[in-house]
Amino acid sequence: GENVEQHPSTLSVQEGDSAVIKCTYSDSASNYFPWYKQELGKRPQLIIDIRSNVGEKKDQRIAVTLNKTAKHFSLHITETQPEDSAVYFCAALRGGTSYGKLTFGQGTILTVHP
Amino acid sequence: NAGVTQTPKFQVLKTGQSMTLQCAQDMNHEYMSWYRQDPGMGLRLIHYSVGAGITDQGEVPNGYNVSRSTTEDFPLRLLSAAPSQTSVYFCASRQGQGAAYEQYFGPGTRLTVT
Repeated sequence: GENVEQHPSTLSVQEGDSAVIKCTYSDSASNYFPWYKQELGKRPQLIIDIRSNVGEKKDQRIAVTLNKTAKHFSLHITETQPEDSAVYFCAALRGGTSYGKLTFGQGTILTVHP
Repeated sequence: NAGVTQTPKFQVLKTGQSMTLQCAQDMNHEYMSWYRQDPGMGLRLIHYSVGAGITDQGEVPNGYNVSRSTTEDFPLRLLSAAPSQTSVYFCASRQGQGAAYEQYFGPGTRLTVT
């Protein structure tokens, strides 16, 4: 089955700096890669996603890049703010007969210091 | 539109007890799933369902049962609770299985088994 590795496990930045979180996946049939943000005590919520026919997608301060050849994708947050502090999860969805099963990375705890 | 709801929010069980975690969605979503979240391990899929009457095992199914008698409800049963089942449990739903469909999470149930 699919395996998703996420790095780093913790990331500490100063307000205004950029943050980058990387994920690698094992199944070349995966075709959808969402990123979730989970604030303390809350549910994970989708912040951005990318499909395998696209190399990059941006939404204001966040962007996701995908390298299908190397089987990795990354989340980029620019001009970080204290409210960006949360746990971030990447995930991968296998196309075809995966029955919609998302495989998640282990999570990254991002702390933005004011 | 309440989205995905879960009850209870918190539960403490003694080893060997059984209980059912409730999950409901009012979005007429076909696909529902249960995850457990443990520190450093991301979200791991326990069981999932692609429609009423159809369920299957995920990554970590042992010790849990599910059923899907209606589109709206997807309860998770712990047969004989063990301390290793101490975790935060999230229910999720999607309109369909493919990449076009965002996955929505419930608020979670924090379970402690003593």
